[in-house]
Amino acid sequence: DSGVTQTPKHLITATGQRVTLRCSPRSGDLSVYWYQQSLDQGLQFLIQYYNGEERAKGNILERFSAQQFPDLHSELNLSSLELGDSALYFCASRAGWGGELFFGEGSRLTVL
Amino acid sequence: KNEVEQSPQNLTAQEGEFITINCSYSVGISALHWLQQHPGGGIVSLFMLSSGKKKHGRLIATINIQEKHSSLHITASHPRDSAVYICAAPTGAGSYQLTFGKGTKLSVIP
Repeated sequence: DSGVTQTPKHLITATGQRVTLRCSPRSGDLSVYWYQQSLDQGLQFLIQYYNGEERAKGNILERFSAQQFPDLHSELNLSSLELGDSALYFCASRAGWGGELFFGEGSRLTVL
Repeated sequence: KNEVEQSPQNLTAQEGEFITINCSYSVGISALHWLQQHPGGGIVSLFMLSSGKKKHGRLIATINIQEKHSSLHITASHPRDSAVYICAAPTGAGSYQLTFGKGTKLSVIP
């Protein structure tokens, strides 16, 4: 158990819909990262938050957004969903900027 | 941006065999990560190393910073080692973001 909790574990929805994925980092970890893993690609970095502020952006689409709340949990919002958005979405946390990353179990999104 | 290459892409081994997975990267870095992803999808961090060698049970990770190369070894492989092994390196010198290799799918047959 990494200490990082992601919900929901599985989600099936239709094109055009909007979903929210939730991540609770390890206790005390200030950095939260979101990654997307689709079938034909490896892990792709989406966005990072540190203590409530956005710190880095990767290959995140404009239809996607995220935030980190004062209690340090984070949410990834995916809107106007397309078939190609079907993927595993991972959240990871670490105490600071560097160091070991701890991953959640992932949220598997299926868009039909 | 750092390019991270892993080899082999797929690996099938008999139980008990010694296994080596290789990772090379293009930009000088301070540390490299090895991750394990089980068939269920969950990802576990195995090692983060910046020099030399680290060992945890039957897993050994080595890195050569000058040659920009790292290896993950599994001694006395077991079917429960079957998983995808992923190496990840900072996106650039001084960066805290990671670029991931495409992974090596290992199957250990009893």
